[in-house]
Amino acid sequence: ETGVTQSPTHLIKTRGQQVTLRCSSQSGHNTVSWYQQALGQGPQFIFQYYREEENGRGNFPPRFSGLQFPNYSSELNVNALELDDSALYLCASSLEGQGSRPQYFGPGTRLTVT
Amino acid sequence: GQQVMQIPQYQHVQEGEDFTTYCNSSTTLSNIQWYKQRPGGHPVFLIQLVKSGEVKKQKRLTFQFGEAKKNSSLHITATQTTDVGTYFCAGRTQAGTALIFGKGTTLSVSS
Repeated sequence: ETGVTQSPTHLIKTRGQQVTLRCSSQSGHNTVSWYQQALGQGPQFIFQYYREEENGRGNFPPRFSGLQFPNYSSELNVNALELDDSALYLCASSLEGQGSRPQYFGPGTRLTVT
Repeated sequence: GQQVMQIPQYQHVQEGEDFTTYCNSSTTLSNIQWYKQRPGGHPVFLIQLVKSGEVKKQKRLTFQFGEAKKNSSLHITATQTTDVGTYFCAGRTQAGTALIFGKGTTLSVSS
């Protein structure tokens, strides 16, 4: 177990709705990254938060937004959900700022948009 | 943009056979990481390679980083049923923070 937790485990939403996913990072880690993993694909980088600020973003539209809190937990918000947003959303915590570090993934949130 | 490609996409082997997956990047990487994802699970970190030409071993797994730091491989000797899963390579460029994953190689093993 990595110590990274995510909630909820599963979620079903309707197109056009908004969703918030939550992640608690591993103790001692200061960075959280969010990934979208479609079925049969590798994780795609959405963005990374380091010390409560966005520190890099992948090729995702602005309706994907996030927050990191002082305790290093994080939220991923997705507005105006589309059918293609159906995927496994993974958060990963790491200890950055000292070179590249391993990412420790949580179990993910399976989002289904109907 | 940066791309990381993996081949093959799928590989089926008999238990005891060897297995290799290859990873190629369109740009030079500062480092490469390998992850394993079991069916229904999440990616689990295996190893990180940083130096040009680096080779690291973990029991039956051998990881290599190419001299040009644009390719990498994972070789499993004498596969076991516990090796089943999808193996991902993931690389970072010198300048970026994003960890770019390949599409993975899914390994199935029959006993």
